[in-house]
Amino acid sequence: DAGVIQSPRHEVTEMGQEVTLRCKPISGHNSLFWYRQTMMRGLELLIYFNNNVPIDDSGMPEDRFSAKMPNASFSTLKIQPSEPRDSAVYFCASSRSTSGRRNEQFFGPGTRLTVL
Amino acid sequence: QKEVEQNSGPLSVPEGAIASLNCTYSDRGSQSFFWYRQYSGKSPELIMSIYSNGDKEDGRFTAQLNKASQYVSLLIRDSQPSDSATYLCAANSGNTPLVFGKGTRLSVIA
Repeated sequence: DAGVIQSPRHEVTEMGQEVTLRCKPISGHNSLFWYRQTMMRGLELLIYFNNNVPIDDSGMPEDRFSAKMPNASFSTLKIQPSEPRDSAVYFCASSRSTSGRRNEQFFGPGTRLTVL
Repeated sequence: QKEVEQNSGPLSVPEGAIASLNCTYSDRGSQSFFWYRQYSGKSPELIMSIYSNGDKEDGRFTAQLNKASQYVSLLIRDSQPSDSATYLCAANSGNTPLVFGKGTRLSVIA
């Protein structure tokens, strides 16, 4: 089975440009998470979706960040305009969310974003 | 504020020894606990999950959970240089998102 797929794997852009990161969750998973990882702050949850609906976006740092999940197999994270401090690795993860305890989350390979 | 705390390390152990990684969590309502391994430049990889007090063994890995002390640990027996990575502890309750610790860097010296 394919795991979580993310694209692009690397993105280098200039300050002020729009950046769009893409994610395809594992088939059958109904929860999707966007994280950002930096050396200083570790792994931070930005936003998560349940059944394509955004549940909690309190981790989104600013209005420059937005995320969508138009269907169960695709999500985007957009930064507009981008700034150098947005440079980080962005991970997408998915899980099969149930009423029980077993919400094991699986991560994609990440997108390494560099904003010059 | 729900928090998961880990010693950042680095934790250095000789090859063949037991590596012991520890984690504490603040939310008493946490029900599920996970250990992820992250190699440099790679994404976190789920290696163990534990839900009940006690020990859970999988190969060279043993996860231990003590809910009364709000403490989770991961033991790696017969440590190998390939185990050198950052280990992330995570916890959640029900359908809430995982709360991650900042990770412990493990170095296994050949």
